[in-house]
Amino acid sequence: GIQVEQSPPDLILQEGANSTLRCNFSDSVNNLQWFHQNPWGQLINLFYIPSGTKQNGRLSATTVATERYSLLYISSSQTTDSGVYFCAVEGGGGYQKVTFGTGTKLQVIP
Amino acid sequence: EPEVTQTPSHQVTQMGQEVILRCVPISNHLYFYWYRQILGQKVEFLVSFYNNEISEKSEIFDDQFSVERPDGSNFTLKIRSTKLEDSAMYFCASARQYSYEQYFGPGTRLTVT
Repeated sequence: GIQVEQSPPDLILQEGANSTLRCNFSDSVNNLQWFHQNPWGQLINLFYIPSGTKQNGRLSATTVATERYSLLYISSSQTTDSGVYFCAVEGGGGYQKVTFGTGTKLQVIP
Repeated sequence: EPEVTQTPSHQVTQMGQEVILRCVPISNHLYFYWYRQILGQKVEFLVSFYNNEISEKSEIFDDQFSVERPDGSNFTLKIRSTKLEDSAMYFCASARQYSYEQYFGPGTRLTVT
């Protein structure tokens, strides 16, 4: 099956700093999504981005499908950005399972 | 904006008991999924469901598990005889036709004692 690797596994930021999270995947994909898992365990859908670039406020994401990676940018980080960020991909021929990466655990300190 | 909802938010059960986790997918969606996340680990696929039948399942989804869409709105996951290792967060997701984007519910935390 498709392999999804995320880096770094852990990240500590000072409030106001910027960061880049990376997701590498082993095969071509139909779907790539970024999620934020908050401290209560809820998965918040950040981006659906199988290719190209999207922006939503302080967050933006870029997927280069031909090179099999995606980047999530967080600018001017806030303590509420803390949590785990997951990349998830679907690479099958139909509407199949999404494979999650192992996540990046982000802690933003005041 | 429509959301996937799940009930209950937290369920505690004794080992060996049956549990049913409930999900209400977004109303015009046709593809339905269950995932689970053991504490501190990544989210794992369990099963996908389309056109009233299972379209794919993982090796985790053994005979103890079943899914059902009993009416036009609910999508349920049943665990027949719970084990301690079934303790996890269970997420339901749905997707509309001709779209790969999956929308996730808030999860049900299952604790087996």
